[in-house]
Order: sequence, then structure tokens, then C-alpha cells
Amino acid sequence: QQQVKQSPQSLIVQKGGISIINCAYENTAFDYFPWYQQFPGKGPALLIAIRPDVSEKKEGRFTISFNKSAKQFSLHIMDSQPGDSATYFCAASIIDTNAGKSTFGDGTTLTVKP
Amino acid sequence: GAGVSQSPSNKVTEKGKDVELRCDPISGHTALYWYRQSLGQGLEFLIYFQGNSAPDKSGLPSDRFSAERTGGSVSTLTIQRTQQEDSAVYLCASSRLAGGGTDTQYFGPGTRLTVL
Repeated sequence: QQQVKQSPQSLIVQKGGISIINCAYENTAFDYFPWYQQFPGKGPALLIAIRPDVSEKKEGRFTISFNKSAKQFSLHIMDSQPGDSATYFCAASIIDTNAGKSTFGDGTTLTVKP
Repeated sequence: GAGVSQSPSNKVTEKGKDVELRCDPISGHTALYWYRQSLGQGLEFLIYFQGNSAPDKSGLPSDRFSAERTGGSVSTLTIQRTQQEDSAVYLCASSRLAGGGTDTQYFGPGTRLTVL
């Protein structure tokens, strides 16, 4: 049973466009939802994270939208740039019991065309 | 150090051999995680060390996998009698606070293991 489902698997966006990546989770106990960015040959790096007490979090061009009732959250990249081309992973964890042990989506490969 | 380091960066081995993968976490980080990343898939949790507590081994796929963390710092992931399905990138991460569920996990570059 896959606890975090991520879509699309790959995404191609023109420079300046909006990239949207979606994730859905099943375990209602999850209470921490980070997004990671991974460049080829590198480990993932935390991009932005949200807790379910807010519906949206924005950091620069990156925004997480969170829908607790639908058990869905999404990453929006505004004004996408070629340098944003990378693989993006959503994740979910239970803060108190999992101590940071995260369940990851399968990743989305984003290509931003100049 | 500047970040999490892992060695070797690449490892090619023959089926049935044992391998050891090393992780050097960021100095002072008390939590250490091992993940496995198969081609085109997300990260699969393997094992978690938190300070001096017993490790959480719930993600280890079989008894051929084991890990140690010596002196609360360096960790070694050992895979015995490797199989072709063990081929993947093995990622190590560390975080500052033990038990801190929202603490940022800092990942190393990974070890790419290929079992022939």
C-alpha cells in the first residue's frame, strides 16, 4: 500500500510558466509534509514544508497548498526557471512518533525549457 | 564537516558478495537515517539512529541488511550476500535534534550500488 502518491511522474514547463506537482496521502496521522528537490548526482535537499494547521505556505517562488479534508497537497513553482529542472519529492511523516522518518512519493522529474 | 559525506560514491559488486557503505553525518547531528532510492522511485526508509537509543530497523528489507553507528557519529550499512535487486542508490541523512520530527534532514550524495 503506497501511502503517498505523487503525480505527474514527469512535467515539462516553459520558462516563466507555473509548475504544479500533486501528492495525496492516506494516513490521517501524518502531520508534517516536506518537499525535496534533487539534482542529478546529489542527495535530496529540503525545499519547503508545511504542517496541516495552515492551508498554504509560500517561500519565494515556491508555494505549498494543503487540503486536509481531501488529504492532498501540492507544490506550485511560479515563474519556473531552467535552474528549477530537477526531481521533486513530496514526503509525509508523523512528528511525535516517527521522529522524522518520512514516507516519500515516487518523485516528479521537472524540465523547464528556456 | 560541510555536509553529509558518503563513501564510496559508486560500488560495483558481484552477486553474493558483501558490501559496506559508509556515512559521515554533519558534526553534532544526533539523528542519522539510511534510505534506498531505486531507479524512478522515491526514497525507501531503511533504518534510523537517534542518539544512544536502539535504532529503528523497521525499514530493513531482509536480514541481509544491517547497520551500525559507532560513537554516535559514523555509520556503516552492510549488505550481505548481495542480490541484483539490491542495486540502487543508498542515501544517508542526518538531522540536528534527536527525535525532532520537523528537523531538516540533510542528505549526502549517496552511494550507487550495482550488483552484477
